[in-house]
Amino acid sequence: QTVVTQEPSFSVSPGGTVTLTCGLSSGSVSTSHYPSWYQQTPGQAPRTLIYSTNTRSSGVPDRFSGSILGNKAALTITGAQTDDESDYYCVVRVRAGFWVFGGGTKLTVL
Amino acid sequence: EVQLVESGGGLVQPGGSLRLSCAASGFTFSNSWMSWVRQAPGKGLEWVANIQGDGSDKNYVDSVKGRFTISRDNAKNSLYLQMSSLRAEDTAVYYCASQSYGRFDPWGQGTLVTVSS
Repeated sequence: QTVVTQEPSFSVSPGGTVTLTCGLSSGSVSTSHYPSWYQQTPGQAPRTLIYSTNTRSSGVPDRFSGSILGNKAALTITGAQTDDESDYYCVVRVRAGFWVFGGGTKLTVL
Repeated sequence: EVQLVESGGGLVQPGGSLRLSCAASGFTFSNSWMSWVRQAPGKGLEWVANIQGDGSDKNYVDSVKGRFTISRDNAKNSLYLQMSSLRAEDTAVYYCASQSYGRFDPWGQGTLVTVSS
């Protein structure tokens, strides 16, 4: 069973830069896994940030960017703001039609 | 406005059944893959199942295979999840979401399913 790995928690100072990663237990994440990223605050539905590795969803500030770094997908927040404090999830296509979410990263901005 | 609205959640006993619905509007529903994603209390997101636009292809996470059935009615712009043999570990908020190019978007507001005696 494929496991998608994310850092459980991360901390960044306001104005700082942070990179969250999304890995696969069974190898490397590539663009063919169509990694996407979601932001979720308590009690709310997820919000799409990035899809197809690096395409920013409509209305998402350009301080959010997606990429492949080494063997993982990555979400970089440049110039973090206090309202970026949220849970962040990645999801990847592990084979045609099947998707697996990572466990999520709780980001603290302080 | 693009919108998804789930309904049908509630309290059900272990071993029981429940049918969730998701009403779509503001986009071409019949052209869209659709997914159900769930989130147990205090836990992360879990992809549960998806269905192709014409209903010809369906996929399920192993933990629900044989117990849950995803379906759709394109004439009613509606997505369904029939859940049976429910277990305590199925307790979660269930979201429906449209899928395109690896993007799950939009999402509904979710409906809570509680499996408990």
